[in-house]
Formats: sequence, C-alpha cells, structure tokens
Amino acid sequence: DTAVSQTPKYLVTQMGNDKSIKCEQNLGHDTMYWYKQDSKKFLKIMFSYNNKELIINETVPNRFSPKSPDKAHLNLHINSLELGDSAVYVCASSPQTVDDPTETQYFGPGTRLLVL
Amino acid sequence: AQSVTQPDIHITVSEGASLELRCNYSYGATPYLFWYVQSPGQGLQLLLKYFSGDTLVQGIKGFEAEFKRSQSSFNLRKPSVHWSDAAEYFCAVVADNYGQNFVFGPGTRLSVLP
Repeated sequence: DTAVSQTPKYLVTQMGNDKSIKCEQNLGHDTMYWYKQDSKKFLKIMFSYNNKELIINETVPNRFSPKSPDKAHLNLHINSLELGDSAVYVCASSPQTVDDPTETQYFGPGTRLLVL
Repeated sequence: AQSVTQPDIHITVSEGASLELRCNYSYGATPYLFWYVQSPGQGLQLLLKYFSGDTLVQGIKGFEAEFKRSQSSFNLRKPSVHWSDAAEYFCAVVADNYGQNFVFGPGTRLSVLP
C-alpha cells in the first residue's frame, strides 16, 4: 500500500480557476506537509500541520490554503490560479513527536500542476 | 536563516566509478541532516540521516555520508555507481527542535554512463 498518496497526479487548468489537490497518508502520522517543487527541482516548504498547529511559510500567498478533514488527510486548495503556480506540489508526513524531532518525512509522488 | 547548498547542479559518472555529492549547510547549532533521492516520476526516498553519534552514516543502496562540523558539510558517497542510481539527489536540514522546518538544497542531478 502506498504510504503517502496524492490525487490527481496531473492537473491542467486555466488561469483564474480554483483547484484542490488531495493528500492522504496511511502511516498514522501526526504531521503533514506541503512543498512546492519548481521547474529547477527546488523544494520549498509551504505548510506544516498537525492536530495542534498550522505553520505557514510567510512567502506563500494567501490564495493557498491547507484543509485537513482528519488526521490522515491534508488537502491543498488554491484560489485564483496564476501562471506562476505551475509546479509540482509534494505532500509529506512524519510521526513528528517532541521526543524525536529527527523522524523522517515520507513523501508522496507529487502532483504536477500546469496553469494555462 | 538556515540554508543548504549543493554546489553541483549536474554530475555525470561512468557506471562502476565512485561518486561524491557535496552538501553544505548554514546553521548555528547541530543540525539534523538528510539525503533524499528522487527518481523520475517518483516521490522522494530517504537514503540516510544524521543527528548525532558516529559522523559516518550508512544508508540504503550502498550510500554513505560523512558529517564534518568544521566544514559544515554532509557529503554523500558511493564507492561504485550503478546505472539505476541516476536520479536527483537532495540534501536537507531540519533546523529546529520540532523538525518542522525542513530546508532542502537545490538538488544535484546524477547521470550514469554505461
């Protein structure tokens, strides 16, 4: 079974639309993340979220919002899509406890978003 | 602010040759360091990690990395590269006590010649 899954795998849409990308983890982890991977493969964290706290990277536009219906899911909603939003969006999760901050993050396969 | 640099954007080696991928970090305290590999169309996979103890860390697929505090480096090595090692390699640092601030380097693309 896939540990961290994302849907859709590919998403092509027009500028101005609103879209969501779903992420699910079946590892029982407490913390989930969204990263943006640009055309140069550079990964940059957008959000980290657990049942207590949402931490937002201050450089992320407020058009982006994470939504967590339950502990196993962290969806990414994007309003008013812009051309510059085209990228691969990667979800991750980790057990992340205070006792062991070195816990590994497990990554999803990514969703390739193309805004036309 | 914490940062990770990988000086080599693209490296090409012949199959069977040795490999070293460089990673330098900028962080005041002892960082938690990771190497991930991303094959085409695949998600990131952890190769190895370091947070304390022996500065030479063994990972999966025959990879190892050495933490050198004096050089702020965490270079990845493999004695003999296989064609299947062709991928993108990312060094990352966790720079706070709760492990939520993952900072990735820009990645190094490895090509392997037959």
